Amino acid sequence: NAGVTQTPKFRVLKTGQSMTLLCAQDMNHEYMYWYRQDPGMGLRLIHYSVGEGTTAKGEVPDGYNVSRLKKQNFLLGLESAAPSQTSVYFCASIPYGGLPLNTEAFFGQGTRLTVV
Amino acid sequence: GENVEQHPSTLSVQEGDSAVIKCTYSDSASNYFPWYKQELGKGPQLIIDIRSNVGEKKDQRIAVTLNKTAKHFSLHITETQPEDSAVYFCAASILDDYKLSFGAGTTVTVRA
Repeated sequence: NAGVTQTPKFRVLKTGQSMTLLCAQDMNHEYMYWYRQDPGMGLRLIHYSVGEGTTAKGEVPDGYNVSRLKKQNFLLGLESAAPSQTSVYFCASIPYGGLPLNTEAFFGQGTRLTVV
Repeated sequence: GENVEQHPSTLSVQEGDSAVIKCTYSDSASNYFPWYKQELGKGPQLIIDIRSNVGEKKDQRIAVTLNKTAKHFSLHITETQPEDSAVYFCAASILDDYKLSFGAGTTVTVRA
C-alpha cells in the first residue's frame, strides 16, 4: 500500500517556466490538499478538493492552478514560476465520513522546488 | 479564517526530560486539534489528536491538553528519546470542514 505518492521529489525551474506536480493516492480518499512549507511559516494551504471534479482555493492560491480529473490524482500547476514559489510542496489526503469522523491527513513525502 | 500560533519555535531537551509545546487558536468554532510529527525528509504524520468534548488525551509518552475557554492546547512528551527529535506541528479545524490550519512548527532536539 503506497499511500500518498508525489512526483517529482526534486525540481529546479527557471523563472517563467511551467511545471506540474502530481499527487496520487491509493486509499480511495475523497479529500485532497496541496500545501507549501516554508521556514518559520508552517504548512499553508494552496488549493484543495472535496471530490473528483472539484477544486477550491486555500490560503495562498495565487500563481497556482489545480485539477482533480480522477479521484486518486490531484495535480498542482505552476504556469509561470517565480522565485517566491521556491518551497517544499506537500500533498495530503483525508477519507470522508465514518463515525466518529475519520480526520487523519495522510501526507506524501514532499517535492522540493527551487525557482532560479 | 483560523490563525494558529505555536511556541516555541525550537526546543532542546536532555534525553529523559519532558518537552512541552503550546499552541493558541483564534476561531472559537474550531473543535478538532491534531498534532503532526515530521521527521527529516518525510511528510508530517499524525501522532495524537483531541476533540473539543475532551480536555485531555494520552497515548503512552505523549499527551495533549485542551483549554477551550483560553483557546489553548498543548503537547506533552515525557521521558524523551532520541527518536523524538523532529519537527512538530499543531493544527486546528472544524471537524466537518476538513481544512486544517497549521502552526509554524517546533523543532525538537533530544540531546543524548
